[in-house]
Amino acid sequence: DAGITQSPRHKVTETGTPVTLRCHQTENHRYMYWYRQDPGHGLRLIHYSYGVKDTDKGEVSDGYSVSRSKTEDFLLTLESATSSQTSVYFCATYRTGDVAGYTFGSGTRLTVV
Amino acid sequence: SQKIEQNSEALNIQEGKTATLTCNYTNYSPAYLQWYRQDPGRGPVFLLLIRENEKEKRKERLKVTFDTTLKQSLFHITASQPADSATYLCALDNNQGGKLIFGQGTELSVKP
Repeated sequence: DAGITQSPRHKVTETGTPVTLRCHQTENHRYMYWYRQDPGHGLRLIHYSYGVKDTDKGEVSDGYSVSRSKTEDFLLTLESATSSQTSVYFCATYRTGDVAGYTFGSGTRLTVV
Repeated sequence: SQKIEQNSEALNIQEGKTATLTCNYTNYSPAYLQWYRQDPGRGPVFLLLIRENEKEKRKERLKVTFDTTLKQSLFHITASQPADSATYLCALDNNQGGKLIFGQGTELSVKP
């Protein structure tokens, strides 16, 4: 997980409250992603970014927004948390070239009660 | 719709044997196929990438095959060790900015 830091690692929040998850990278990678991982569904893409202020929706974007004001930071916001958003959230960066692949953070376990 | 399937059942093997994991996909033409390892409470870790024009790729005890006709990839771990116990994920990449589609993973358990 070297190079990608997610915060917080764990969070419990109440339904209806806004929540922001943070991802910080030191890899200087252009591409960044937010995934959620749930039993029976695997990893699903929420939002992604191709660069500063350049973001787009993924497969399960409803209820989520993102912002990327600097190359190294990618924020995921749950505008009004619901119990269906209880999940483990992973941030990832993507390196291109001959050894293309993702580097994932350690994840944030979010519980919405 | 696009679908990617991995062995849903956990795979239990004896130390020293070869583990073979399967990844099948439908309605998709990936440019690349990737394999990741995930340990409990951790993020996935990239292992190998194989391109659509490659049949086989090796890295130490790992071997990946990619058959675009069968729409299948096989992931082999030779001389398996208990430390290889983890969940293994396959992911498809159609070369559109790294947006991967992941399978649900296969849990591998290697017994001493």
